[in-house]
Amino acid sequence: RKEVEQDPGPFNVPEGATVAFNCTYSNSASQSFFWYRQDCRKEPKLLMSVYSSGNEDGRFTAQLNRASQYISLLIRDSKLSDSATYLCVVRVNTGGFKTIFGAGTRLFVKA
Amino acid sequence: EADIYQTPRYLVIGTGKKITLECSQTMGHDKMYWYQQDPGMELHLIHYSYGVNSTEKGDLSSESTVSRIRTEHFPLTLESARPSHTSQYLCASSEPRIETQYFGPGTRLLVL
Repeated sequence: RKEVEQDPGPFNVPEGATVAFNCTYSNSASQSFFWYRQDCRKEPKLLMSVYSSGNEDGRFTAQLNRASQYISLLIRDSKLSDSATYLCVVRVNTGGFKTIFGAGTRLFVKA
Repeated sequence: EADIYQTPRYLVIGTGKKITLECSQTMGHDKMYWYQQDPGMELHLIHYSYGVNSTEKGDLSSESTVSRIRTEHFPLTLESARPSHTSQYLCASSEPRIETQYFGPGTRLLVL
């Protein structure tokens, strides 16, 4: 079983739709959580950190559920430019810290 | 934008050649990483460094080697390139406690 699991998608949604991605992690020593965005043939870039209380950045909302060991990303009012792969990233305390990237969920927003 | 650079951006080379992929960052980050990523696939950590003179192997076995003589520079070397090395190589760096990783634009390597 992978330490960080995501639905690979692809999610095909129309412009204006609301779409949600989930990510589960297996290591209870996971301490920090992030969502990265990777455009086709580009490098990953930090989209947002995920805080225990949940956090919002414009149309993007991230939530963390430690009891169930999953994090989520909600995108409201999808834009064509939101089309990308969204990577769930978990930082685990293994004595030292280790950063684990999920395989990503692909999103296609269509006009 | 992150101040992390990779050269070359694209490289096509014949089997058996020695290649070095360059990675530099001007953010003063101690931690640096090399990832390998095939198209549409996940990132695989192949090397990382905690700072000068520190190098560690990552989760994915790789025939490449790295060095860290200066904080800002983390080159990756393949002594003898093979077609199986064809992939995208991404370099990243991070601040010590926040751990947000900043990625370079990547090097796309094609070994013929």
